[in-house]
This record gives sequence, structure tokens and C-alpha cells, in this order.
Amino acid sequence: AQSVTQLDSQVPVFEEAPVELRCNYSSSVSVYLFWYVQYPNQGLQLLLKYLSGSTLVKGINGFEAEFNKSQTSFHLRKPSVHISDTAEYFCAVSVAGRGSQGNLIFGKGTKLSVKP
Amino acid sequence: SQTIHQWPATLVQPVGSPLSLECTVEGTSNPNLYWYRQAAGRGLQLLFYSVGIGQISSEVPQNLSASRPQDRQFILSSKKLLLSDSGFYLCAWDPGSPEWYFGPGTRLTVL
Repeated sequence: AQSVTQLDSQVPVFEEAPVELRCNYSSSVSVYLFWYVQYPNQGLQLLLKYLSGSTLVKGINGFEAEFNKSQTSFHLRKPSVHISDTAEYFCAVSVAGRGSQGNLIFGKGTKLSVKP
Repeated sequence: SQTIHQWPATLVQPVGSPLSLECTVEGTSNPNLYWYRQAAGRGLQLLFYSVGIGQISSEVPQNLSASRPQDRQFILSSKKLLLSDSGFYLCAWDPGSPEWYFGPGTRLTVL
């Protein structure tokens, strides 16, 4: 079975500072990887995804993530955060090629708090 | 373009009362549909998914049930709510590709 671990439940950071949100996964088969963002009392929005190819993935709002197969990690980064980036971020994994039904497993989320 | 709706946006219900949450999708046909629950400190938990009308798979045994009466409609129900049913309920859909789209959610408080 697959699992996702987000190592930090909360990350406080000052505006314009860089940030890294950590995500590790466990799987014996190939996976697809995702990062979602959730603003307060809203649904989830896809930030970026890794399906195959280049291990460096760029997403919306200036975020990027790097797939590291040997370390089973998919950390999310942004070089300079804004107040508007304050939200909860979820890492998710699905088994590659298995079909989508019931196949998306989430981490417990990381709350990013950007302070002025 | 595709749009996913959830109704109601917020709900406060007493323990033991029934529940009905609705999810509808526009702009697509035959989507895979999902119900997730988000409870404080517990991340996102997949409750049910459906690959077609009348086809429901349950991931977690509980006092909740789901139904899919129409191609683009997914209903989450309960006959008697428990305190532990409180949370943020998210409906999601996917077109068969590895990418899910989420609705705006329903905040349920059981008192």
C-alpha cells in the first residue's frame, strides 16, 4: 500500500523568504505525485503534478517541486513567498497506470503561515 | 469547462438527525466521483467513490452512505449523525486521467 508523510504540520515564514514543504512517500510501484493547496474554507486546488519525465516540476503561483526517486521525496519549494500563500498544502500520491478509482492518497497537510 | 458544485456550503445538525449532501458536476460526462472528509488533524480521508450510476465503493465502514442517482450527481447521506461526523466534506471528480478536481466543500458541524 502507498502512504504519504508530510514532515511538518506547520511552517511559519516571513514574507519574501524562501520556503520548502517536505513530502515523503512509500510505494513499491511507480507513482504519480501531486501537490494541492487549500485556502480557508475552500476546496483543494492543484498546484502541480509529476507523472513522468523531468523530475523538476513547475506549477502555479511560482511553486515548484522535485521528484527524488532514491529518497522517495517530492518537496515543494518557492523562492519568495507572499502573504497570499498562507494556506494548507497537501501532498498526494497515486499508483501509476492503475486507473484513478480510489487511487489518490493524501498526506495530513502542512499549514504555511506567511508573516509580514 | 468543467465545474463542480456542492450544496449546502455549511450545515449545523443535531446528533441523531439525518444528513444529505449533494455534489453535481457540469461540463463532463461519466466522471469518476469521490467523497472525502477532512477532520481536524486527520488529513483527507476517502469515504466513497463511484465510477457510474448506481456504482458505489466504500473505503471506510461507518454510518454514512453514498448514492449516484444520475451521471453527474453524487449524494452523501446518513440516517443518524454522530458527533464524529463533523468535518469538511469534499466532493471530487476525475475524467479517468490521473488528476482530480475538487468542489468548494461543505462544512458540517454536529452538535
